[in-house]
Amino acid sequence: DAKTTQPNSMESNEEEPVHLPCNHSTISGTDYIHWYRQLPSQGPEYVIHGLTSNVNNRMASLAIAEDRKSSTLILHRATLRDAAVYYCILFSQGAQKLVFGQGTRLTINP
Amino acid sequence: NAGVTQTPKFQVLKTGQSMTLQCAQDMNHEYMSWYRQDPGMGLRLIHYSVGAGITDQGEVPNGYNVSRSTTEDFPLRLLSAAPSQTSVYFCASQRGSVSNEQFFGPGTRLTVL
Repeated sequence: DAKTTQPNSMESNEEEPVHLPCNHSTISGTDYIHWYRQLPSQGPEYVIHGLTSNVNNRMASLAIAEDRKSSTLILHRATLRDAAVYYCILFSQGAQKLVFGQGTRLTINP
Repeated sequence: NAGVTQTPKFQVLKTGQSMTLQCAQDMNHEYMSWYRQDPGMGLRLIHYSVGAGITDQGEVPNGYNVSRSTTEDFPLRLLSAAPSQTSVYFCASQRGSVSNEQFFGPGTRLTVL
């Protein structure tokens, strides 16, 4: 399974944008880039996913590098409720399974 | 829709005991998975199923059995509990292909003494 690399932790301030990076240099052409987050004492929650083009939804934006070897999850205006562990995952066609890494623990300061 | 439900929420076992963790989904999803999460760690895949009657192993399958007799249910059986199986267990389901999101249950916190 292709691997992802994320910073262990990041910190930001409330109401500011947050850019969470992810490196996936061994990504294959059919791998989807998924982002999930896990709030304390809860199961993971889907955030966004994409293949090649940048994606936007009500929660966040996903910016994918042209060579697809890296991506960035963008929270446009962080709130205290966005404090969580964020996982960047490559989901392969035919693999039918998500492989979680360590994720990035995001702290939001009031 | 109730989404993905898991029972029980908490369980304490003694070493050597067996039990079944229940998982059900009412979204008619083909894919279901079981993960475990140890303290301070990411999730690790135990077993998964791409449809009724079809199961396969994930990263850490030893000590666990699964079956998928219906689309809705995907129970996880611990054959002979060990302290190393103390963890939080999450069940997830997904519709169709890898381009879709996975929905996770609330988890079962298991302690093996």
